[in-house]
Amino acid sequence: NAGVTQTPKFQVLKTGQSMTLQCAQDMNHNSMYWYRQDPGMGLRLIYYSASEGTTDKGEVPNGYNVSRLNKREFSLRLESAAPSQTSVYFCASSALSRTGTYNSPLHFGNGTRLTVT
Amino acid sequence: TQLLEQSPQFLSIQEGENLTVYCNSSSVFSSLQWYRQEPGEGPVLLVTVVTGGEVKKLKRLTFQFGDARKDSSLHITAAQPGDTGLYLCAGAGMLTFGGGTRLMVKP
Repeated sequence: NAGVTQTPKFQVLKTGQSMTLQCAQDMNHNSMYWYRQDPGMGLRLIYYSASEGTTDKGEVPNGYNVSRLNKREFSLRLESAAPSQTSVYFCASSALSRTGTYNSPLHFGNGTRLTVT
Repeated sequence: TQLLEQSPQFLSIQEGENLTVYCNSSSVFSSLQWYRQEPGEGPVLLVTVVTGGEVKKLKRLTFQFGDARKDSSLHITAAQPGDTGLYLCAGAGMLTFGGGTRLMVKP
């Protein structure tokens, strides 16, 4: 089972360039999430999609946009990359939304390592 | 706003030692999860604890949920280098994690 697949695995951008990080899950999950992890740090939520057709901001949404393309796919776009966006980006999915009292387990991809010079 | 505080932030020990890490909050949770993230990979769910006072064992890992369901601990017996990683906790209804405990087990 593929689970959560992220592409690309690595990317180097120059300041001001744009790019889209792709994420797809094959578990028929309703909810999807984007997190960033800076060196030696925990995970910070950028955006999430509780269900197909909805998206909401997380803790650190500035400089990012997302699209829930369909139930399987949730993309993250950097319109004008900045060095402060150098990070490892993780996509995750859960069967049910975690915004209620559910503790639906999160399934993570293996990350996209982005460097902005 | 619900917050989870994890301690210690960093822990470096020798193989064979025992250790305990903590996840604390002022909020009550209906359940709490522990994840482990190995270097270069995404976090993976270890366990979900649901009942106050519950103890769950996963081989050498023992998870406990506080009676008041505001805190949890993870105890590792005879740590091995394969236990190295970042340990994260997350409460029900939360989209965010505690800051994590970064564990290094030296051979």
